[in-house]
Amino acid sequence: DAKTTQPTSMDCAEGRAANLPCNHSTISGNEYVYWYRQIHSQGPQYIIHGLKNNETNEMASLIITEDRKSSTLILPHATLRDTAVYYCIVRADILTGGGNKLTFGTGTQLKVEL
Amino acid sequence: DAGVTQSPTHLIKTRGQQVTLRCSPKSGHDTVSWYQQALGQGPQFIFQYYEEEERQRGNFPDRFSGHQFPNYSSELNVNALLLGDSALYLCASSLVQRNTEAFFGQGTRLTVV
Repeated sequence: DAKTTQPTSMDCAEGRAANLPCNHSTISGNEYVYWYRQIHSQGPQYIIHGLKNNETNEMASLIITEDRKSSTLILPHATLRDTAVYYCIVRADILTGGGNKLTFGTGTQLKVEL
Repeated sequence: DAGVTQSPTHLIKTRGQQVTLRCSPKSGHDTVSWYQQALGQGPQFIFQYYEEEERQRGNFPDRFSGHQFPNYSSELNVNALLLGDSALYLCASSLVQRNTEAFFGQGTRLTVV
């Protein structure tokens, strides 16, 4: 699985959009980008994933660049409860034999403040 | 739907002892993965079970073993505990042939003294 690079920490004002970047310059054509977050002392929580196209769900939006070498997770209106460590993970397509293990880095600590 | 449940939530063991952690996957899921998370680090993949067999394994010694039962629940066993095995142990369930999300339990906090 391709490696990812994320900033160690970011701050965001409550009510503003939080934009979390991730670099994955060695990503392959069959590799997906997944985002999880982990609130202190809890299990990781799935947020969103995508392959090529931008994706949106009730939690967030995922913007993947055209060359797929980087992506941005957008929390449109951050709240204090969004304070967590956010992990960007690249994982191969299960159907091509990639398996479905997740390789976590150290993630980005997002702190949402009043 | 109870989601992924793990037991116990906390555990204290002595060096050299053995421990068994348990996981019940989300309803409808057939694959269980185990992760170890040391303080300040991201979770590290231990192994994955599907159809009662170990399918993938991370870089962990043979002291770490597991089992999956016909009802898809799973156990993680660690023998000859070391102080360095102190960590949060996470279980995740998913569907083996789907590029969908994995659901994590709340974890078992193991402390080795």
